[in-house]
Amino acid sequence: SQKIEQNSEALNIQEGKTATLTCNYTNYSPAYLQWYRQDPGRGPVFLLLIRENEKEKRKERLKVTFDTTLKQSLFHITASQPADSATYLCALHRGGGSYIPTFGRGTSLIVHP
Amino acid sequence: GAGVSQSPSNKVTEKGKDVELRCDPISGHTALYWYRQSLGQGLEFLIYFQGNSAPDKSGLPSDRFSAERTGGSVSTLTIQRTQQEDSAVYLCASNQEGVSSYEQYFGPGTRLTVT
Repeated sequence: SQKIEQNSEALNIQEGKTATLTCNYTNYSPAYLQWYRQDPGRGPVFLLLIRENEKEKRKERLKVTFDTTLKQSLFHITASQPADSATYLCALHRGGGSYIPTFGRGTSLIVHP
Repeated sequence: GAGVSQSPSNKVTEKGKDVELRCDPISGHTALYWYRQSLGQGLEFLIYFQGNSAPDKSGLPSDRFSAERTGGSVSTLTIQRTQQEDSAVYLCASNQEGVSSYEQYFGPGTRLTVT
């Protein structure tokens, strides 16, 4: 089965810096990889999707990269703000008609003013 | 428009009791998912409904867990003879088949505490 590794330790950064979160996976290469944001006491909220044939995807201050050789996705938040503090989850889709994603445990990001 | 709603938001029950958790997906969404999230753990897939197809129950941890989806809309997750290890947040999500983003819309979850 697919295993996903996200750093269990919280990432603490200073406001204005770029936050970089890592999602590593084993086994099969996913057809799609998503990133979600989760605030305490709330459900995850979709942020970005990147496909296996894409190297990079951007949305406003967010950037996701996908390296199928390294089996890794990086999630970047530029010019970070305290409001970006949350837990960020990656989710992998096998594709091929499978619609059930596998989620990582998430990494907590804390942006200090 | 209205998002995914879940009820109750919190449920405290005694070990051995049955509980029912409800999910109202976004109107028109054909796919519905149930997940379980324990403290410090990722989202654990439980069950998936898609249209009129037979549900994918491969994630249900035991036969004490079951779920229904009536009329292609509201879903109920039932846990019989609850155990303390069932304590977790139960999340429901829905999406529309065929949307290339595979984006899932999550509800706020039901926090279940078994005492």
